[in-house]
Amino acid sequence: SQTIHQWPATLVQPVGSPLSLECTVEGTSNPNLYWYRQAAGRGLQLLFYSVGIGQISSEVPQNLSASRPQDRQFILSSKKLLLSDSGFYLCAWSARAVNNIQYFGAGTRLSVL
Amino acid sequence: AQSVTQPDIHITVSEGASLELRCNYSYGATPYLFWYVQSPGQGLQLLLKYFSGDTLVQGIKGFEAEFKRSQSSFNLRKPSVHWSDAAEYFCAVNTGFQKLVFGTGTRLLVSP
Repeated sequence: SQTIHQWPATLVQPVGSPLSLECTVEGTSNPNLYWYRQAAGRGLQLLFYSVGIGQISSEVPQNLSASRPQDRQFILSSKKLLLSDSGFYLCAWSARAVNNIQYFGAGTRLSVL
Repeated sequence: AQSVTQPDIHITVSEGASLELRCNYSYGATPYLFWYVQSPGQGLQLLLKYFSGDTLVQGIKGFEAEFKRSQSSFNLRKPSVHWSDAAEYFCAVNTGFQKLVFGTGTRLLVSP
């Protein structure tokens, strides 16, 4: 069966520090991969998605970037964190299909102080 | 542009009472619709989905949802709520291009 792993679960970082959140998927090949941010009371905002290695689409201009160095690995990064980057970050995967069901990781709670 | 509206930010239901969470979508073609549930500090779990066919779909944990094209709605229901159902519920629509658009969520509180 397929599983998705996200780490760390919680992270407290000072303003201006770098960020690296990692997400890996097991038990499937060529998945679509997604990064979302969830701010309190604002639902889920799609940040990036990827349909293959090295292929990244950005949905919202911001202080963050994403990379996909391997088929089942998706990384969210920042060179310098802002206070506004605080939130709950979720990684998800789906199979390559039009009616795709997305499956989510457990999330990372990021606090920028 | 595609959008999903969940008009209720919070809903409080007594344990054992019935539940209906509202979801309206805006999408030009036949939508693929989803309901997800999120417990505090956790990821999202798929409750049910609608792709085509029977407009009343059954999901996990005793939930069901009905697709009504004329009303652009996909409301979630449960006949008898349990305290463990307290969580946040998200409706989502597949916009094509293999992406989902989510509503802002409805937080369900269950009173004893």
